[in-house]
Amino acid sequence: EAGVAQSPRYKIIEKRQSVAFWCNPISGHATLYWYQQILGQGPKLLIQFQNNGVVDDSQLPKDRFSAERLKGVDSTLKIQPAKLEDSAVYLCASSHPGRGVNTEAFFGQGTRLTVV
Amino acid sequence: GNSVTQMEGPVTLSEEAFLTINCTYTATGYPSLFWYVQYPGEGLQLLLKATKADDKGSNKGFEATYRKETTSFHLEKGSVQVSDSAVYFCALRANTGGFKTIFGAGTRLFVKA
Repeated sequence: EAGVAQSPRYKIIEKRQSVAFWCNPISGHATLYWYQQILGQGPKLLIQFQNNGVVDDSQLPKDRFSAERLKGVDSTLKIQPAKLEDSAVYLCASSHPGRGVNTEAFFGQGTRLTVV
Repeated sequence: GNSVTQMEGPVTLSEEAFLTINCTYTATGYPSLFWYVQYPGEGLQLLLKATKADDKGSNKGFEATYRKETTSFHLEKGSVQVSDSAVYFCALRANTGGFKTIFGAGTRLFVKA
């Protein structure tokens, strides 16, 4: 089966600019996650969707970050305006909710964002 | 809350050496436990998993046993290869208002020829 697709792979922007990332999950996976992975750290969950509804966005800096999943499939994550500390790899993952804790989340290759 | 703690790296080994990367967790309920691997320039890949106490996950010569009594899930491999050089992440998945995967900070492994 096709994996989780993300684009772009790399992005360099200046601080205060805006940027958007796109994710297409594995077909049939109703649950979609966005993670932020800062260099040298483990991935941190930003937001979790179930279909097109938000399950958890408690770790999302809502003053600058937004995410949507309008049709319950693709998702976009936006940062506006970007700060230097937003430099990280942004990972999208998906999972099949019907299989509970026993199934893993599948990850895309990520988008490496550099804010200069 | 739920959390994962793993040994700090980097870990540097010679080829064919024995590997152990320690991982302990804190969780309510009955989480599943995972090891993910991230090779240079690539995304996270599932290495192995265990879904209940005393289960042993194994893949590519790596193995880890879910120890509920010590809340641990240590990763081991009997003989590492240069191609095993990567960052290894211990993770748990629990139902906390939706199924979430929580990661440790990662341990970088360097294997020398």
